[in-house]
Amino acid sequence: EPEVTQTPSHQVTQMGQEVILRCVPISNHLYFYWYRQILGQKVEFLVSFYNNEISEKSEIFDDQFSVERPDGSNFTLKIRSTKLEDSAMYFCASKWTSGSDTQYFGPGTRLTVL
Amino acid sequence: KNEVEQSPQNLTAQEGEFITINCSYSVGISALHWLQQHPGGGIVSLFMLSSGKKKHGRLIATINIQEKHSSLHITASHPRDSAVYICAVGIIQGAQKLVFGQGTRLTINP
Repeated sequence: EPEVTQTPSHQVTQMGQEVILRCVPISNHLYFYWYRQILGQKVEFLVSFYNNEISEKSEIFDDQFSVERPDGSNFTLKIRSTKLEDSAMYFCASKWTSGSDTQYFGPGTRLTVL
Repeated sequence: KNEVEQSPQNLTAQEGEFITINCSYSVGISALHWLQQHPGGGIVSLFMLSSGKKKHGRLIATINIQEKHSSLHITASHPRDSAVYICAVGIIQGAQKLVFGQGTRLTINP
């Protein structure tokens, strides 16, 4: 069965460093999302992406964040200068249609900023 | 005020018990999702509902659109059902992002 994959599963970085989290969505899906979950808190929406551009972003998604779909298969989330408070589990999700549709989640990348 | 509220936050039960987890929401939705999060953190979609009721194995999900309320039921609960169950709503506008409840931590003891 097709699945969303994410790499790495765990990333440890120093404050101020840049990180890139990678996702490979399900191949025929058109809508892509990043969510994050700070330890002990609920999952929060970061950004959605369709047709090679951001379709919606949350207040969390400030200038330090960017997303890209560089080659038609990968979908990346970059954090330019990490802060301690960026430590969280980051989930990528994808779905096929614009309407009500199941979003398929990747296994997550646990980001630890020291 | 949270847009999605779940209750209870924690639930411990004995194997075999009938489990109910509730979700209320306050925004316009395209659909409501029930998700399961395992201890390692991975999220699995269980149901997507826009009306009525769905059943999959021992899991049943219902939604009342007028009351903005949904329930997830587990019949004949088993220790392997222990997980965090999350209610999330698809927002009707824009990119159909999901807005999540805080989750219900379910523990089923043998």
